[in-house]
Amino acid sequence: DVQMTQSPSSLAASVGDRVTVTCRAGQSVAFNLNWYQQKPGQAPKLLVFATSSLQSGVPLRFSGDGSGTSFTLTISSLQPEDFGTYFCQQTYMTPWTFGQGTTVEVK
Amino acid sequence: QVQLQESGPGLVKPSETLSLTCNVSGGSINTHFWNWIRQPPGKGLEWIGYVHYSGSTNYSPSLKSRVIISVDTSENHFSLTLTSVTAADTAMYFCARQRGFSSPFDIWGQGALVTVSS
Repeated sequence: DVQMTQSPSSLAASVGDRVTVTCRAGQSVAFNLNWYQQKPGQAPKLLVFATSSLQSGVPLRFSGDGSGTSFTLTISSLQPEDFGTYFCQQTYMTPWTFGQGTTVEVK
Repeated sequence: QVQLQESGPGLVKPSETLSLTCNVSGGSINTHFWNWIRQPPGKGLEWIGYVHYSGSTNYSPSLKSRVIISVDTSENHFSLTLTSVTAADTAMYFCARQRGFSSPFDIWGQGALVTVSS
């Protein structure tokens, strides 16, 4: 299985801050890396797919970058509604695997 | 627009079989890959497996011996069966669509909480 490791596990930032979450894969997953946002009591929501493609309807303040084994999700200007847990996922090889999640708190 | 909805018993006894169905509305199940994912309370996401509309399947090695995922194209739904459950199988179970083999999960159901307890 491809192990996915996210850092940090949690963070707190102020509105307007630039926030970056990192995801590292145990082996190369090429560009097959996706990011999801999950709010309490809800299903995950797709934000970014194939490393850097923004899902339709997702605000432009979200962006993704990386390749191979190292990836980032950046929120350029944190908004109050951006609280939640962010998960990375590789869809390079089965079993599809997820990172353990990064919880973002808006101060 | 395509929507997914999980249904099934919320309580299952240890050693028995968990069965859930994901109903696909607003579109046909006769395309794409259809996945099951679970999330224990307060924990992360675990992929269980998928069924392709053709009926081919792929399961997580850690659950493969206990899982069956099937598709019913006439009813436009797909199903999860997990046998010999224990308390460790207590989780929110989500179904999700995947357009292609390496595609992301772009549409998710709201989830169904299944508790394993006597």
